[in-house]
Amino acid sequence: QLQLQESGPGLVKPSETLSLTCTVSGGSVISSSYRWGWVRQSPGKGLEWIGCVSFSGSTRDNPSLKSRVTISVDTSRNQFSLQLNSLTAADTAVYYCGRRGYNSDSGFFDFWGQGILVTVSS
Amino acid sequence: EIVLTQSPGTLSLSPGERATLSCRASQSVSNYYLAWYQQKSGQAPRLLIYGASRRATGIPDRFSGSGSGTDFTLTISRLEPEDFAVYYCQQYDSSPLTFGGGTRVEIK
Repeated sequence: QLQLQESGPGLVKPSETLSLTCTVSGGSVISSSYRWGWVRQSPGKGLEWIGCVSFSGSTRDNPSLKSRVTISVDTSRNQFSLQLNSLTAADTAVYYCGRRGYNSDSGFFDFWGQGILVTVSS
Repeated sequence: EIVLTQSPGTLSLSPGERATLSCRASQSVSNYYLAWYQQKSGQAPRLLIYGASRRATGIPDRFSGSGSGTDFTLTISRLEPEDFAVYYCQQYDSSPLTFGGGTRVEIK
């Protein structure tokens, strides 16, 4: 059974860069059938798509984050990562990693990590 | 960007009742590229429906999705105690992927 697990700091200071990693087990990130992505949820709020990466390293991200996002994949470790820079309190959220289909007709997330709460505060 | 508006914000129902949740898009969602998720407190979302009406693996048949274009519906035919949760729709017709604001189904 596929499992995804987020890891990273729970507390980050304003203006710094957040780095999160998602470790995939029970499957491989090297797949032409899937992309790997990040979604966040601010406290008490809804879901926001951050971006996705394929095994080849091609990425798409949400323009609302104003180019603050870098998503990468490490096939040797079966992981993918998120970096979000210039943090503010508005970036405080639970960050989820997930798997979606590769093509546009399968852009839904069928597997999710448990989520990691990241608080931006000095 | 396609904006998804879910209604009602909260639905108060009793176990055994029927729940009807709405998701309206600001522009047409092509090819039925709409999904529904269930989220319980402290948990990740769980995929229920994709392609507007296709149940994901392991999802009970009391959950059904319908609709096209700008209007989509998630129906829970008879609410079970474990169905009280927040439900989100998501479109994958165009980038950026977007989610609705959610509908909370609570016990009356």
